[in-house]
Amino acid sequence: AQSVTQLDSHVSVSEGTPVLLRCNYSSSYSPSLFWYVQHPNKGLQLLLKYTSAATLVKGINGFEAEFKKSETSFHLTKPSAHMSDAAEYFCVVSDGSGGYQKVTFGTGTKLQVIP
Amino acid sequence: DSGVTQTPKHLITATGQRVTLRCSPRSGDLSVYWYQQSLDQGLQFLIQYYNGEERAKGNILERFSAQQFPDLHSELNLSSLELGDSALYFCASSRIGGGSTEAFFGQGTRLTVV
Repeated sequence: AQSVTQLDSHVSVSEGTPVLLRCNYSSSYSPSLFWYVQHPNKGLQLLLKYTSAATLVKGINGFEAEFKKSETSFHLTKPSAHMSDAAEYFCVVSDGSGGYQKVTFGTGTKLQVIP
Repeated sequence: DSGVTQTPKHLITATGQRVTLRCSPRSGDLSVYWYQQSLDQGLQFLIQYYNGEERAKGNILERFSAQQFPDLHSELNLSSLELGDSALYFCASSRIGGGSTEAFFGQGTRLTVV
């Protein structure tokens, strides 16, 4: 079975402070994991992805995520929040091969950045 | 700009009607995915096509259907529309479509059923 749980529906941080968005997953196979960001009235943009290479993945805009198999987690972090980071973030699990793919999105975490 | 084009951007229609949403994938991408994003259900995977063939099915209603044409563009057909079908419909594309392949999303079509 495949599932994704984003543990917080809303996160509020002050500008310049660290960001932590939590994601736990389950998959019957060796999954790929992604974080996407959606700014208001925009499509989804890929932040980073994990595909069984390095467990610490660096993405765009200073974000990174660490894959922890023992904890089935893939939390997204950023050392210092910027106002432009205010958006909704989705954790995604994907498995499959040969053109077949099962994809599950988390319910999203809305990040508010306070000036 | 992700390179994925969706038309129209906005659509308002009445209950019981039928609409077609169109998606042009990035150049060279063989796989197309359709997603529905609504306030109460979040982002739901509907269906995936790969090089013209259906490859994976998610929470797609029987009233909905999709296809991918030889030029790789895709259409999502929604019929007998209900108020609850009001949502943002996203199309995404990827090179191949395996589990490790990231998808690039279009800006979405906002469907309002009145």
